[in-house]
Parts: sequence; C-alpha cells; structure tokens
Amino acid sequence: EDQVTQSPEALRLQEGESSSLNCSYTVSGLRGLFWYRQDPGKGPEFLFTLYSAGEEKEKERLKATLTKKESFLHITAPKPEDSATYLCAVQAGETSGSRLTFGEGTQLTVNP
Amino acid sequence: GAGVSQSPRYKVAKRGQDVALRCDPISGHVSLFWYQQALGQGPEFLTYFQNEAQLDKSGLPSDRFFAERPEGSVSTLKIQRTQQEDSAVYLCASSFGSSYNEQFFGPGTRLTVL
Repeated sequence: EDQVTQSPEALRLQEGESSSLNCSYTVSGLRGLFWYRQDPGKGPEFLFTLYSAGEEKEKERLKATLTKKESFLHITAPKPEDSATYLCAVQAGETSGSRLTFGEGTQLTVNP
Repeated sequence: GAGVSQSPRYKVAKRGQDVALRCDPISGHVSLFWYQQALGQGPEFLTYFQNEAQLDKSGLPSDRFFAERPEGSVSTLKIQRTQQEDSAVYLCASSFGSSYNEQFFGPGTRLTVL
C-alpha cells in the first residue's frame, strides 16, 4: 500500500526565516511526486511535479527536491502570503492507477 | 481559460437524503478524479474517469456512492441515503492526459450531513 508521511504537522516561521518541509513516501514504482498548496476553503493548487531522484524544481521562494525515499520543499525567506497548508502526493505504479495518494499536509504560518 | 468548477459550493443535507454534486472540468481534459477530504486531512481518492469510462472506483466507500460522466465532460457524484460520516469536502480534479499528468483541482463542495 502506498504511504505518504509529511512532517512537521505544523510550522511557524518569522518572515524571512528559511526552512524545509519533509515528505517521506513508500510506494511501489513511483511515477511522480506532486506538491500542492491549499488555502483555507479552497482546493489544492498545483506547485511542482518531480519524477526521478535528484530532480529539483523552483518557483519564486519555493524549491522542491526528490530522493528515492523523500522529498523536501525548501522555503527561502518566506513572506506572510506563503502561509498555507502544503500537501505532498505520489502517483505510483500500475497497480495504483492514476490516483494521487496524499499526505496529511504541513500547515505553515509565516508571521510578519 | 477557466479552471475546474464545482457546484454547489456548500450543501447541507438531513441524514437519509440523497445529494448530487457537480464538477465541470477544464475544457479538453480527458481525465477526471473525485477525492474526499475530511477536516485536517489530505484528500483521499474516490474514483477516476477517462473520458466517459469509469476506470477506477475502488475508493468509493460504499454502494451509496455513485459517479457518472456520461458525455466525457461534466461529472456528477451522487450520494444516496447520506450519513453523518459522509460530511466532508468533495474535490474534483482534471488532467489533460490519459493518466500521469498533474491534476488541477476545483474549489470543492463542502457537504454537511445533519
């Protein structure tokens, strides 16, 4: 069974204080690892897809990296508008079809 | 273009009532997914369509849940004889390709069963 574990559950940062969110996964045949951002009362917003170990992607203050067992979302010099829940999801081998298996998310709060 | 839209945004039902939730995917997207999200949790897969074909319904929690996409565009998730444990946000997502592409989510329908 595919499993995704995110840590920490919640993270409070001061504006400008860089940090990282962790996503550990156990899957049979990873096809893709996805990062989403979710604001209260809204659906998840797509951020990144990573396909293979060693891959990195960046967008503004966010950088996602992937190893064979985990992914990190690095946030550099965060701003209050980066406050949201960040969700990690995996798309696994053929037995799991096209579904995404999500972690429970990390709730990030950035204080001004 | 427009994103994924869902209606209604909020639904309150009395236990035992039937409800129907609608999803309009992004135009041209072949794949459509339904997820259920409980408060404070990540979304959980319910079912998947490729065009009008329902290829995976293994996540539907009981036979009270039924989904359709008759013309390969709009989809409806129907829940019969609603129970309190059905209270959640129901998210619809669509993707361009047949399977392994990023999924774009709608705003969700928050269902509350009293």
